[in-house]
Amino acid sequence: AQSVAQPEDQVNVAEGNPLTVKCTYSVSGNPYLFWYVQYPNRGLQFLLKYITGDNLVKGSYGFEAEFNKSQTSFHLKKPSALVSDSALYFCAVRDGSSNTGKLIFGQGTTLQVKP
Amino acid sequence: NAGVMQNPRHLVRRRGQEARLRCSPMKGHSHVYWYRQLPEEGLKFMVYLQKENIIDESGMPKERFSAEFPKEGPSILRIQQVVRGDSAAYFCASSPLGALTGELFFGEGSRLTVL
Repeated sequence: AQSVAQPEDQVNVAEGNPLTVKCTYSVSGNPYLFWYVQYPNRGLQFLLKYITGDNLVKGSYGFEAEFNKSQTSFHLKKPSALVSDSALYFCAVRDGSSNTGKLIFGQGTTLQVKP
Repeated sequence: NAGVMQNPRHLVRRRGQEARLRCSPMKGHSHVYWYRQLPEEGLKFMVYLQKENIIDESGMPKERFSAEFPKEGPSILRIQQVVRGDSAAYFCASSPLGALTGELFFGEGSRLTVL
């Protein structure tokens, strides 16, 4: 069965510092991995995805993520955090052997960037 | 190009009443997914539909919940005889092909409160 783990409920970082939001996954086939961001009382906005190719993928708002097959991880990173990055971040996985296309989401990590 | 449209954005029901949540996918998208977000929890997959077909309903509660996506009109998530535990945000997402590699596009959600 597919699953996603986000081990940190909350990540706190000072503005201007680098940030990392962790994600590990479990699938039986090839993983398709995604990051979404949710602002209060809003829907989910797509940030980036890994399907194949370069392990480092770049996305919206200066975010990037690194796919590590041996560690089954897909951590979200940003070199310099902004206060406006404060939000709820979700990692998601789709099993490449699945024919439904559904995404399985982690529990979410709240990112708090302090001025 | 309008995004995924959900209505109502907020819905209040008393225990025992019915709730109907509607979702119009993005133009050109024929695949719809419903997710539920309980307070302080992540997104849980409920159901995946194509036009006139339920493809995967593995996340749907066995009773009181149903979903449809008719040939014409929006997708409907119907909750009969609501209980307080149904209070949650319900998100709809769409994709153009049920694509195995593409991201899902989310609506702003419908927030159900059961009194």
